[in-house]
Amino acid sequence: DAMVIQNPRYQVTQFGKPVTLSCSQTLNHNVMYWYQQKSSQAPKLLFHYYDKDFNNEADTPDNFQSRRPNTSFCFLDIRSPGLGDAAMYLCATSRAGTGGHEQFFGPGTRLTVL
Amino acid sequence: GDSVTQMEGPVTLSEEAFLTINCTYTATGYPSLFWYVQYPGEGLQLLLKATKADDKGSNKGFEATYRKETTSFHLEKGSVQVSDSAVYFCALKGYGNKLVFGAGTILRVKS
Repeated sequence: DAMVIQNPRYQVTQFGKPVTLSCSQTLNHNVMYWYQQKSSQAPKLLFHYYDKDFNNEADTPDNFQSRRPNTSFCFLDIRSPGLGDAAMYLCATSRAGTGGHEQFFGPGTRLTVL
Repeated sequence: GDSVTQMEGPVTLSEEAFLTINCTYTATGYPSLFWYVQYPGEGLQLLLKATKADDKGSNKGFEATYRKETTSFHLEKGSVQVSDSAVYFCALKGYGNKLVFGAGTILRVKS
């Protein structure tokens, strides 16, 4: 089945220690998104890629970076995680355009910062 | 800017009760509208969608109708089950590739 895969499902890191979260997709979608979701809140968009074009949200901290080496993979790098960065990180993909193309979400990576 | 407002939860119902979760939106133009569901510890799954006025999206017994005149997209189900317990997010997609989410509504169904 075509899908969005996130690894690992659970990640524990130490305060200030860089961490990388991974997302891959078999849907061949040209748009990939990274969201941060804290408990009982809606997902918050951090950034998205339209093909190779990177689009950062205005309020995304510089501590968060992303790479998309090819269509299938996208990475979220947190350079110096703080306690406030503990959250669920969701990757999503979609076709581009203003039509009703829905976003397909992965299962998420839950990040714990000690 | 675009925004989505949904009823606050948690909503607690007994099994087989009727469910309504209200959702209204503010947007320029004619957005597409979505309901997503999130089960504990998982990502979001698309439940249903509607892309133009008067469209009805439906899936797994859930329905929602795109009402342009009231800018609403209320989620309904005639008979809820314990397995429907989850968080439900209403969302819109306007110009561009981004979704705008509501705050989410927790649904708890008791047996």
